[in-house]
Amino acid sequence: DTEVTQTPKHLVMGMTNKKSLKCEQHMGHRAMYWYKQKAKKPPELMFVYSYEKLSINESVPSRFSPECPNSSLLNLHLHALQPEDSALYLCASSQEIAGGIYEQYFGPGTRLTVT
Amino acid sequence: AQSVTQLGSHVSVSEGALVLLRCNYSSSVPPYLFWYVQYPNQGLQLLLKYTSAATLVKGINGFEAEFKKSETSFHLTKPSAHMSDAAEYFCAVSELAGTASKLTFGTGTRLQVTL
Repeated sequence: DTEVTQTPKHLVMGMTNKKSLKCEQHMGHRAMYWYKQKAKKPPELMFVYSYEKLSINESVPSRFSPECPNSSLLNLHLHALQPEDSALYLCASSQEIAGGIYEQYFGPGTRLTVT
Repeated sequence: AQSVTQLGSHVSVSEGALVLLRCNYSSSVPPYLFWYVQYPNQGLQLLLKYTSAATLVKGINGFEAEFKKSETSFHLTKPSAHMSDAAEYFCAVSELAGTASKLTFGTGTRLQVTL
């Protein structure tokens, strides 16, 4: 199994809703990532989890709350989002392929629309 | 901090023609470089990577890239374009971040393939 899965594929939510995005991998990778990608832009890193601990938060607003319940699962909890948060949210996991070099594998993404 | 620059936000080639997508890097240490492809409404797929083992790197779908230190470049090429190559291509540089990595992406190049 060499894939990262994400659910749901599409999500429409109002600004007062609470929703969650889910990401799963069964490759034994110990690092997982959340990225945000706006249309016609490159992905931007949001969070990094390593060995189930949050290791990087790229100054993301608190209305985005990540969670790593176990080494295979990564969630992104959403609350009180703004329309400008509408984007493709990508999850990735990585393995070390040589000393200090990591290869990241991406999921298909969740297309989020905030109304 | 390391960075990559992709020259040309949009490249158009005829089917069967050479594909050349440009990427230049800025790094004070030997860089680890990646090319990813993104088809519409999908996640990112790894095409190839440079990890200092060989300067000419072959990837999937007939793509290859050559690392040139003197030119600080890692351009992506394919001898003969196919309609299915139409997609967005991202060059990225990887930095070690504890027991994970941080990918910094270029702005992307959209490849159009015409008949």
